[in-house]
Amino acid sequence: GAVVSQHPSWVICKSGTSVKIECRSLDFQATTMFWYRQFPKQSLMLMATSNEGSKATYEQGVEKDKFLINHASLTLSTLTVTSAHPEDSSFYICSARTGGGTDTQYFGPGTRLTVL
Amino acid sequence: GDSVTQMEGPVTLSEEAFLTINCTYTATGYPSLFWYVQYPGEGLQLLLKATKADDKGSNKGFEATYRKETTSFHLEKGSVQVSDSAVYFCALSGGSGYSTLTFGKGTMLLVSP
Repeated sequence: GAVVSQHPSWVICKSGTSVKIECRSLDFQATTMFWYRQFPKQSLMLMATSNEGSKATYEQGVEKDKFLINHASLTLSTLTVTSAHPEDSSFYICSARTGGGTDTQYFGPGTRLTVL
Repeated sequence: GDSVTQMEGPVTLSEEAFLTINCTYTATGYPSLFWYVQYPGEGLQLLLKATKADDKGSNKGFEATYRKETTSFHLEKGSVQVSDSAVYFCALSGGSGYSTLTFGKGTMLLVSP
């Protein structure tokens, strides 16, 4: 149980284009989903927290107009990197948390984004 | 604010050796503590967790005990395998229950045959 999927697992795009990454909780309803960014050999940096049906809360320094997050249902959140540039190349990981007082997050397998 | 400090890696061991990865934390309230493992090219997997003082989390031969007096949550395994080679992250979630995870920087473990 508690499986989180991400799609695509990797994507290569041209500079200036937009890329959408999907995060799905497959066997549970996720009241809250999180988006992280991970640079090579470094820890995870929380980008934003999204609750179903409401606007995402972005961490300091994360551009909300560049990283658009939508949490339209209890099983799906999307991250859109708009007008991507090479410096946006990174490993993006989502996680999901159920309700009911638990604080355990279940992570997706990650999406490797390369912007040429 | 909350913080997690892990020993720097890489930790290099031979198969069947004993493993300890140190983790200490600073937090307000009564946080939950976690160990996550990340295999190359993959996302994070929850390895074990403990939600209150003196709790011991265990999974796949790994274990860690929540020590409030020393604010520690050290990861141990009695006999490592090559397949345990990965990056291990210690993390905490604030005592309020509905809060974000704070991660340590991760410790790479390399196990040789």
